[in-house]
Amino acid sequence: DAGVTQSPTHLIKTRGQQVTLRCSPKSGHDTVSWYQQALGQGPQFIFQYYEEEERQRGNFPDRFSGHQFPNYSSELNVNALLLGDSALYLCASSVAGNEQYFGPGTRLTVT
Amino acid sequence: QKEVEQNSGPLSVPEGAIASLNCTYSDRGSQSFFWYRQYSGKSPELIMFIYSNGDKEDGRFTAQLNKASQYVSLLIRDSQPSDSATYLCAVNIRPNFGNEKLTFGTGTRLTIIP
Repeated sequence: DAGVTQSPTHLIKTRGQQVTLRCSPKSGHDTVSWYQQALGQGPQFIFQYYEEEERQRGNFPDRFSGHQFPNYSSELNVNALLLGDSALYLCASSVAGNEQYFGPGTRLTVT
Repeated sequence: QKEVEQNSGPLSVPEGAIASLNCTYSDRGSQSFFWYRQYSGKSPELIMFIYSNGDKEDGRFTAQLNKASQYVSLLIRDSQPSDSATYLCAVNIRPNFGNEKLTFGTGTRLTIIP
C-alpha cells in the first residue's frame, strides 16, 4: 500500500519565480493538508483540501494557493517567491479529518 | 502564550531507560492529540494519537492525556538509540468536520545515549 508521495524532492528557485509542488495521498484518503516547516520549527498549517475545495486556511498570504483533483491528488502553488519561503513543504493525507500521515516533503530553496 | 508548547531539549536519556516527553496546550476545547517522530532531514511520522483522558499504550510507547491540566505526554520505555529524533506534539484544537488543522509545538530533541 503506497503511502503519501510528493514531488519533487528538492527544488531551487530564484526570488520572484513561481513554484508548483505535487502530492498524492495515501490510498483511501480523501483529504489533503499542506504544511510549511522552517528549520528548527514545527510544521505550520497552510491549507486543507477536501472534495476539490479549500476547506480551511492558515495564516499564509494569497501567494500560496492550491488545488485538489478528482483523484484526490493536490498541488501547492507559490507565486512571487521570497527568500523566507525556503522551507520543507509537507503534504499530509487523512480520511475526513482523522489521523494525518505525512509524505516525504519537498525541500524548497529560494536564492 | 503559544498554542502548543514543548521543551525544545535536548533531552538525553540512557539506553534502556524511560524517556518522558511533555506538551502543554492553551485551548481547553482541544480534543485530538498526536505525537510525531521526525528524524533529521526526514518528514514527521505519526507514532501515537489519543483522544480521551488517561493512558494509551502501543508497544514501547505510552501517550498520556490530562485535559483538566491541559497536558499530554509521551513515554518511551526501554529507550533505544534508534529513538533519537525530534518528537513533535500536535493538537487539533477544535476538531469537527471542516476544521482539522493541526497545530504543532516546536518539538523536543531526544538523544538516547548508548
